[in-house]
Amino acid sequence: DVKVTQSSRYLVKRTGEKVFLECVQDMDHENMFWYRQDPGLGLRLIYFSYDVKMKEKGDIPEGYSVSREKKERFSLILESASTNQTSMYLCASSLGTGAAGSYEQYFGPGTRLTVT
Amino acid sequence: KQEVTQIPAALSVPEGENLVLNCSFTDSAIYNLQWFRQDPGKGLTSLLLIQSSQREQTSGRLNASLDKSSGRSTLYIAASQPGDSATYLCAVRGRDDKIIFGKGTRLHILP
Repeated sequence: DVKVTQSSRYLVKRTGEKVFLECVQDMDHENMFWYRQDPGLGLRLIYFSYDVKMKEKGDIPEGYSVSREKKERFSLILESASTNQTSMYLCASSLGTGAAGSYEQYFGPGTRLTVT
Repeated sequence: KQEVTQIPAALSVPEGENLVLNCSFTDSAIYNLQWFRQDPGKGLTSLLLIQSSQREQTSGRLNASLDKSSGRSTLYIAASQPGDSATYLCAVRGRDDKIIFGKGTRLHILP
């Protein structure tokens, strides 16, 4: 079974702090994704990566950055946390891209981040 | 720009009934469509994946169909149980590899 793990289930940070959210997958997947989920807005893509050191902006990248130094690990960084970044953060991975990579997306358990 | 819509936003049905959840999308140029289940405060669990060349997929009491030309998918749940209560989301993967989610249908099965 594919396993996607996230470093924390719950996190409380102060405004202005630098926050790291870690995601690790154990199935050698090329693609990894970060989403945030908010009531009434659904899941919105922040960033995704389809290879080591590769990253693409999603729909709402402002205020976030990412790092993918190893294939299995994809980190989301909040450079200076703000209260409007309070949300549920979900990481996902999938096997490939394009027509040859029409594979399932697998999600981690989520990190509930509260910024006070 | 791809838009994915799920109607209704919430649904309550008595235990034992069969039910259908709907998902529609505006751009038919997709690689696949995936149905997920999400329990409160948890991550998403993949239920079924339908490739663009397929018409349906089945897993146990679940059956998902895809009509790409009309931009529609349905998730059929047979003989519903209280444990099926959850939010169900559909997501489409476009040719740009972006995955767009609907906002989900909150399903409540009444014992």
